[in-house]
Amino acid sequence: GENVEQHPSTLSVQEGDSAVIKCTYSDSASNYFPWYKQELGKGPQLIIDIRSNVGEKKDQRIAVTLNKTAKHFSLHITETQPEDSAVYFCAATLLDSWGKLQFGAGTQVVVTP
Amino acid sequence: IAGITQAPTSQILAAGRRMTLRCTQDMRHNAMYWYRQDLGLGLRLIHYSNTAGTTGKGEVPDGYSVSRANTDDFPLTLASAVPSQTSVYFCASSYTAGDTQYFGPGTRLTVL
Repeated sequence: GENVEQHPSTLSVQEGDSAVIKCTYSDSASNYFPWYKQELGKGPQLIIDIRSNVGEKKDQRIAVTLNKTAKHFSLHITETQPEDSAVYFCAATLLDSWGKLQFGAGTQVVVTP
Repeated sequence: IAGITQAPTSQILAAGRRMTLRCTQDMRHNAMYWYRQDLGLGLRLIHYSNTAGTTGKGEVPDGYSVSRANTDDFPLTLASAVPSQTSVYFCASSYTAGDTQYFGPGTRLTVL
């Protein structure tokens, strides 16, 4: 089955700086990679996702890159703001395979003013 | 549209008691999931249902059971709660199995 590793487990950044979270996956067949943001006391919320037919996707200050050869994908947050403080989870799966999302262990991001 | 609702929000339970966590979605999603979230372990899948009338075991199913009598509801039952089941439980749903999942607000359960 799929195994996803996520690094770092905690990340402290100064407001305005960039944050990068990296994930590696084990199953080369995986083709869908979502990222979730979880704020304190709430459920995870999808913030961006990428499919294996593209190498990069952007949505305002967040972007995700995918390297299929190396089997890793990364979340980039630019111009960080205090409201970006949260736990971020990466996940991987093979779409339409009745497969299950395999989540990374999460990254606690703290943005300091 | 409410999305996914879970009840109760939190619960303190004596060991050995039976407990059902409720989950309802109004998005007509076919697939539903139950996860538990523990510090340092991320989200672990307990049980899932790809469509009404079917269920399957996830990564950590022992001590839990589910049913899927209709599309909207997916209750999770702890037949005899133990302290190791203290956790935050999240229900999620997706249009089809393996698709983007949308999560509920969670239930914080403490078993004493």
